[in-house]
Amino acid sequence: GAGVSQSPRYKVAKRGQDVALRCDPISGHVSLFWYQQALGQGPEFLTYFQNEAQLDKSGLPSDRFFAERPEGSVSTLKIQRTQQEDSAVYLCASSLHRGPSVEAFFGQGTRLTVV
Amino acid sequence: AQKVTQAQTEISVVEKEDVTLDCVYETRDTTYYLFWYKQPPSGELVFLIRRNSFDEQNEISGRYSWNFQKSTSSFNFTITASQVVDSAVYFCALSEAEGNNRLAFGKGNQVVVIP
Repeated sequence: GAGVSQSPRYKVAKRGQDVALRCDPISGHVSLFWYQQALGQGPEFLTYFQNEAQLDKSGLPSDRFFAERPEGSVSTLKIQRTQQEDSAVYLCASSLHRGPSVEAFFGQGTRLTVV
Repeated sequence: AQKVTQAQTEISVVEKEDVTLDCVYETRDTTYYLFWYKQPPSGELVFLIRRNSFDEQNEISGRYSWNFQKSTSSFNFTITASQVVDSAVYFCALSEAEGNNRLAFGKGNQVVVIP
């Protein structure tokens, strides 16, 4: 497809389970972002990649969160030992170039529910 | 630190009424970018507009218009003659030139257009 694709769309995890969320950005897009959106809130920045380099991971809430983009295209956000407070929608976005003015294209998100 | 405030949470309007969404931002940067995104029930964020801090010219696009006032740090969004398809959550966001491309979002405005 032409847009940002995220999978799975929905994930239910038992507390303590590890999960992996996948993002397929638009082909050729240099920048890739992960955001966390709690219910009724705006998205919160988690991490940013420029190609395969993770340039900013200051938004990751704990060391249980890990993101990678090994070949500069597909990215995976991994959450270890999930907790109930991790329940949220995880949004991935990509943009063609780097720079604060560039339009970001968002995927539909993965809704994670930790029970 | 960058911050975006959207005071209203849910706004209900009758179809064909106008609705204005307020956005107030805080930043120490002199160069920054302001965005509005629409989030329909399907979940993805749809880009609506981008303004840079040096361009205070207001903009109209169809039924949408934006009023940017640096003096009050506001970037308000008006939907004229609302339609049911406008029902969504609308987010205002800020990106700073020195902020590594991340977007800081407000909490969003849930707009419900009643037919």
